[in-house]
Formats: sequence, C-alpha cells, structure tokens
Amino acid sequence: TQTVSQSDAHVTVFEGDSVELRCNYSYGGSIYLSWYIQHHGRGLQFLLKYYSGNPVVQGVNGFEAEFSKSDSSFHLRKASVHWSDSAVYFCAVTGGSGNKLIFGTGTLLSVKP
Amino acid sequence: AQTIHQWPVAEIKAVGSPLSLGCTIKGKSSPNLYWYWQATGGTLQQLFYSITVGQVESVVQLNLSASRPKDDQFILSTEKLLLSHSGFYLCAWSLGGGSDYTFGSGTRLLVI
Repeated sequence: TQTVSQSDAHVTVFEGDSVELRCNYSYGGSIYLSWYIQHHGRGLQFLLKYYSGNPVVQGVNGFEAEFSKSDSSFHLRKASVHWSDSAVYFCAVTGGSGNKLIFGTGTLLSVKP
Repeated sequence: AQTIHQWPVAEIKAVGSPLSLGCTIKGKSSPNLYWYWQATGGTLQQLFYSITVGQVESVVQLNLSASRPKDDQFILSTEKLLLSHSGFYLCAWSLGGGSDYTFGSGTRLLVI
C-alpha cells in the first residue's frame, strides 16, 4: 500500500526566504514521486517528478526536490520564494502502472511581503 | 496542444437530485482519464480511472458512477446526490506509467 504524508499543514515565510516542504512516503516497489501546486480554488499544476537517476530534480519556477531512499522522503525546496508562490502544495506517489496517483494532505504555503 | 475542459464550472444542487459532470480532452489520443474529489480544504481522493473507451475502474465507492462514452470524454454522475458529495471535482489525464497528470480547472459542487 502506498502512503504519502506531509507533516506540515501550514508553512509561513517571508518573500525572499528559502523554504522546504516535507514529504515522506511508503511503498514497497518502484514508484514515481511528484509535486503539484494548487492555487486557491483552482486545478492542480505539475511541478516536478522523480523516478530514478539524479536524486535532485528541478521543476518549474525555481523549485527543486530531493529524493532520499534512506529517509523515504521527497522534500520540495525553493531558494527564494515570491508572494505568487503562495498556494497549497501536494506531494504524490504512484506505482508502475501510473493509474493510481495518491496525494498527501497538502501543505499551505503562505508567503508574506 | 492538449486541452482539458470541465463542465459546469460550478453547481448548486438539492439533496436527492441527479448530477452529471463532464470532462473533455482535446489533442491527445487514447489518454488515461481520472476523476478526483476534493473536500473543502482537504486532499484529493481518486474516484475512478479509465484507460480505454467503455472501461472504467472504481477506486473509491462514494455512490457515484463514471463512464467513458468516447475516447476524449469522461462523465461523472449519480442519480441521487448526498450532502457529502459537496466539494471540488477534478478531471485529469495522463499517458500512464510515470507520466505526470494534467488537471482540468475543476467543478465546484454544493449540495443543499
């Protein structure tokens, strides 16, 4: 059974700060890990994903995430946030078939000016 | 370019009334299609997926049904709405495997 946990429900930072949003997963086989962003009242947009290779993957708008098998983690980072990064961020995991994309509970990122 | 369109944008419906939500994907042949439900402030729960016309797999039973009458169309429906059906419904497509999902703009449903 695949599970995804996001331990922080709400993270608040100031514009220009760095931020890390945490994601931990559990799964016994090969998986794809991804991050999605949801601005208020909108659909989800894909940010980035990892399957194999370099554990640090780059995404859109300066986001990157690092996969750690030992920690079962896939944390999302950004070096300098902008107010427009305020949104809910979802970590997700899917198995080989890709037919069941399971989401975490989401982290609301609030960026203050 | 591929586009995904959901309709209606929003609905207010009475308990016990029927519901039909639609999703159309243009510019992609034989995509995998998905329905998700999101409670207000909550996470996304996958409801159904379909990898081909006429075949739909149920992931969670919420007194809803789904159909794929055409390659580019995915319909979510029920004959009797419950209060618990309120929320945000999202349609998505992917190419399967590890490819990313592309989501529609969603339909906001309020059942009263």
